[in-house]
Amino acid sequence: EPEVTQTPSHQVTQMGQEVILRCVPISNHLYFYWYRQILGQKVEFLVSFYNNEISEKSEIFDDQFSVERPDGSNFTLKIRSTKLEDSAMYFCASRGTSGSYNEQFFGPGTRLTVL
Amino acid sequence: AQKVTQAQTEISVVEKEDVTLDCVYETRDTTYYLFWYKQPPSGELVFLIRRNSFDEQNEISGRYSWNFQKSTSSFNFTITASQVVDSAVYFCALASRGGADGLTFGKGTHLIIQP
Repeated sequence: EPEVTQTPSHQVTQMGQEVILRCVPISNHLYFYWYRQILGQKVEFLVSFYNNEISEKSEIFDDQFSVERPDGSNFTLKIRSTKLEDSAMYFCASRGTSGSYNEQFFGPGTRLTVL
Repeated sequence: AQKVTQAQTEISVVEKEDVTLDCVYETRDTTYYLFWYKQPPSGELVFLIRRNSFDEQNEISGRYSWNFQKSTSSFNFTITASQVVDSAVYFCALASRGGADGLTFGKGTHLIIQP
């Protein structure tokens, strides 16, 4: 069964450093998403991406964040200068398209720890 | 603005008991989609069900059932004859429009099934 994959599973970085989180969505899917979940809290939407551009972004997704689909298979989230409060689990998700809004399939997540 | 409320932070029951997880949502859109996801201790997000706003038919899948009531803006989830493996955090989520909208999640209900 096709699945969303994410690398690395755990990333530790120093405050102020740049990190890139990688995701490989399900191959025939067209919509891609990033979410984050601070430990013990709810899952929060960051950004959606369709047709090689951002479709929607939340207030959390400020200038420190960027997304890219560099090669037609990977979908990346970059945080330019990490802060302590960026420590969270980051989930990538993808969905296909049909006449109805179908479900998003989530990857296993990348745990980001900012020291 | 959209909002999902899961008022039950934590529920603890003994195995084989039935348990209902509540979800109340708010949206101004007439077309919307409701979801339940399960997050086991391993951390991944597992899709359970999608329901469209124009389909109020309740659904049963094995020990799981969902009760969608537009009149009360609720989408409750019942587990019958609970098992220890059902222990997880359960999230209710909402999406509007058929486009690229991200999911709005509730805060989740931590379900503990005691043997």
